Amino acid sequence: TQLLEQSPQFLSIQEGENLTVYCNSSSVFSSLQWYRQEPGEGPVLLVTVVTGGEVKKLKRLTFQFGDARKDSSLHITAAQTGDTGLYLCAGVTWGSQGNLIFGKGTKLSVKP
Amino acid sequence: EAGVAQSPRYKIIEKRQSVAFWCNPISGHATLYWYQQILGQGPKLLIQFQNNGVVDDSQLPKDRFSAERLKGVDSTLKIQPAKLEDSAVYLCASSLAGSGTEAFFGQGTRLTVV
Repeated sequence: TQLLEQSPQFLSIQEGENLTVYCNSSSVFSSLQWYRQEPGEGPVLLVTVVTGGEVKKLKRLTFQFGDARKDSSLHITAAQTGDTGLYLCAGVTWGSQGNLIFGKGTKLSVKP
Repeated sequence: EAGVAQSPRYKIIEKRQSVAFWCNPISGHATLYWYQQILGQGPKLLIQFQNNGVVDDSQLPKDRFSAERLKGVDSTLKIQPAKLEDSAVYLCASSLAGSGTEAFFGQGTRLTVV
């Protein structure tokens, strides 16, 4: 069974602070996706990282895929209250019909 | 472009009753997923379709859960009989072609089994 461990499980910070959340696995994935989910809604894709060592930036969000393609991190600079939500990483397994396996998520709360 | 549509949004049933959820994916999306998301956890894949064929149903409790995707478009997920531990949000998602492409999720159906 391929598992994705996310840490921390919960994170509560003040607006303006920086934070990093982690996604780790013992399995190698063909690519990894990060989603953000708000209450009552489905997850929405933020980014897909494909190449080992890849770094992608999306405004104040920086995503990194580990060299061994087993882990990833999401760093948010100067968090805003609108960043509040559940951040989910999802690994794409190998094969033409690969699966999308989700971690349990990091619940982020940014307070004003 | 219309998103993934799911119905109903909410459902409350008693244990041992049956329930069905419906999903209409984005037009042209070949891959359709059903996920179960228990409160405080990430989505767990129940079944994945490619057009109208099942790609993976290894985590579907087949003694009580069933799903079909007739004509490779809409899909239904059924639970019969329901148990208390089935209380969760059931998310449907679709993607253009396989897991490597972006998955678009519906708002989900929140099921409460009492």
